[in-house]
Amino acid sequence: QVQLVQSGAEVKKPGASVKVSCKASGYTFSDYFIHWVRQAPGQRLEWMGWINPNSGGTNYAQKFQGRVTLTRDTSISTAYMELSRLISDDTAMYYCARGLGSSWNDYWGQGTLVTVSS
Amino acid sequence: DIQMTQSPSTLSASVGDRVTITCRASQTIMTWLAWYQQKPGKAPNLLIYKASSLEGGVPSRFSGSGSGTEFTLTISSLQPDDFATYYCQQYNSYSPTFGQGTKVEIK
Repeated sequence: QVQLVQSGAEVKKPGASVKVSCKASGYTFSDYFIHWVRQAPGQRLEWMGWINPNSGGTNYAQKFQGRVTLTRDTSISTAYMELSRLISDDTAMYYCARGLGSSWNDYWGQGTLVTVSS
Repeated sequence: DIQMTQSPSTLSASVGDRVTITCRASQTIMTWLAWYQQKPGKAPNLLIYKASSLEGGVPSRFSGSGSGTEFTLTISSLQPDDFATYYCQQYNSYSPTFGQGTKVEIK
């Protein structure tokens, strides 16, 4: 069965960076994009970007351009999201999700809580 | 970016009610729209894609319709498990965006 398993919760100080992993199983990793979506407490879902595991090509939401980097390691079917220059407003649950290209997301990871606090 | 606006933001309903949620796009997105259900502390769950296609395993009481800029999600007979927050998402552009969500509460 398809699974996306994310790394554990993180607590970071303002100005630091965080890197979250998303390990895929149960399907061919290179056949689907990996999207990253975050949700601040009580807020709507916010799309951050996607990576094409086949080519490594990426697309980022304008809001996160220059601060987010998406990468992947196809040898271990894992995608990564790194967010730099953290501020308190980056405190949120971060999800990875599978998509057939830039499309709907049919499987989601369990989420990784990132807390930014001094 | 394409803006997505849902209405209402909150909806109070009873078990057995027919419930309709509306999602409007700031520009045409053809039928490139999905609906998700999210329960507290959980990841979103895909219900509908391409505006009206039911995801496998999703109960048939859920249905979607619309095209262009106006879309609806209908629950034909609300069940206790359906009390949750619902989000629409457009993926017409290279940068998907979500609506602000509609919380379905028990009346």
